[in-house]
Amino acid sequence: GQNIDQPTEMTATEGAIVQINCTYQTSGFNGLFWYQQHAGEAPTFLSYNVLDGLEEKGRFSSFLSRSKGYSYLLLKELQMKDSASYLCAVSHHFGAGNNRKLIWGLGTSLAVNP
Amino acid sequence: EAEVAQSPRYKITEKSQAVAFWCDPISGHATLYWYRQILGQGPELLVQFQDESVVDDSQLPKDRFSAERLKGVDSTLKIQPAELGDSAMYLCASSLGQGALTYEQYFGPGTRLTVT
Repeated sequence: GQNIDQPTEMTATEGAIVQINCTYQTSGFNGLFWYQQHAGEAPTFLSYNVLDGLEEKGRFSSFLSRSKGYSYLLLKELQMKDSASYLCAVSHHFGAGNNRKLIWGLGTSLAVNP
Repeated sequence: EAEVAQSPRYKITEKSQAVAFWCDPISGHATLYWYRQILGQGPELLVQFQDESVVDDSQLPKDRFSAERLKGVDSTLKIQPAELGDSAMYLCASSLGQGALTYEQYFGPGTRLTVT
């Protein structure tokens, strides 16, 4: 079956670095997404990894190891506005043809304290 | 910047009543998704359309939920009759297609449903 695990909650201090881990088990793996979701708002795209390695985008970086079924999101120079839920989602093929869908984790609620 | 539109933003309804949500995806996006999200959890896919065709509705409670995208553009999700457990945020998202580089999903603001 499909399964995604990530920590429920994390806290960090403004200006620090935090790493949010995500482990997954899925068939037909086709990439891993990270989304950010502020309370009461819709998710917004942060990153996409399909090959092993690190993808850097400003203060945010995402890493993928397909052999280990593992990814992390690294947030540097934390700001108060980074307090949000961070969702790990795995894309996988299903059915016939080119159909793909996302399986979502429960999200990690990050609180950034001054 | 193009956005996914949803209406209404908020809906309060009594149980056993019918309720409908509307979504207009970003122009040119072939794939449309309806999700349900309960507070503190990740989105749960209810139905996925490719153009006007349903490609996945395995998690849609078909005894009470229905969805359509007749012309392959905007879409409607309906619940009849609504139950207390349906209280949640209903999110619509769209993407260019299902290919790896076109798969980023853009979300609308959501409809928060409260069933009393």
